[in-house]
Amino acid sequence: GAVVSQHPSWVICKSGTSVKIECRSLDFQATTMFWYRQFPKQSLMLMATSNEGSKATYEQGVEKDKFLINHASLTLSTLTVTSAHPEDSSFYICQGHLNTEAFFGQGTRLTVV
Amino acid sequence: AQSVAQPEDQVNVAEGNPLTVKCTYSVSGNPYLFWYVQYPNRGLQFLLKYITGDNLVKGSYGFEAEFNKSQTSFHLKKPSALVSDSALYFCAVRVFYSGAGSYQLTFGKGTKLSVIP
Repeated sequence: GAVVSQHPSWVICKSGTSVKIECRSLDFQATTMFWYRQFPKQSLMLMATSNEGSKATYEQGVEKDKFLINHASLTLSTLTVTSAHPEDSSFYICQGHLNTEAFFGQGTRLTVV
Repeated sequence: AQSVAQPEDQVNVAEGNPLTVKCTYSVSGNPYLFWYVQYPNRGLQFLLKYITGDNLVKGSYGFEAEFNKSQTSFHLKKPSALVSDSALYFCAVRVFYSGAGSYQLTFGKGTKLSVIP
């Protein structure tokens, strides 16, 4: 099946720094990539939808300037958490889709200290 | 609004016993329904889906789910639970997302399955 590769798997950063998370579709073209945030023992919360060649669509309440999304090519979407703070610590997951199937990245555990 | 409900936060079952993880949905039109499993600090893995056809859907790792239109349910089942089945399970429905002009998944809150040796 199709594979979405997400890196890094985990990252620890200092408050005020920025962190970039990459998601690559390895064997299919992902014109759309969904970015989720997951708090402990909770469901996935859709943050934004990235579209290749156009601006991302953000869900209500998600800060566009804080969570920068870029979808530069059909195989790469990135999420940059800017000026990270401890409350941004969470598990971030990307998801592409091919036909009716969804394919998820492995997730990134972000810890801001 | 399209939604998915998983009424149980946690399900405990003894190893070897049958397991059921419940899911109900509310959608307009014909639903596309999915089950995913998540292990700690990992992304979601696809288990099975219902698009159309037989109401009983067989998926990965011996799991199956029964689509019941009258009860708007899509419960996940397995005849004999394994300790390795212990994980977080998510039910999801695919909906058309007008904001992005594409389909997206709406997830239930998740059910933690614990299989006791």
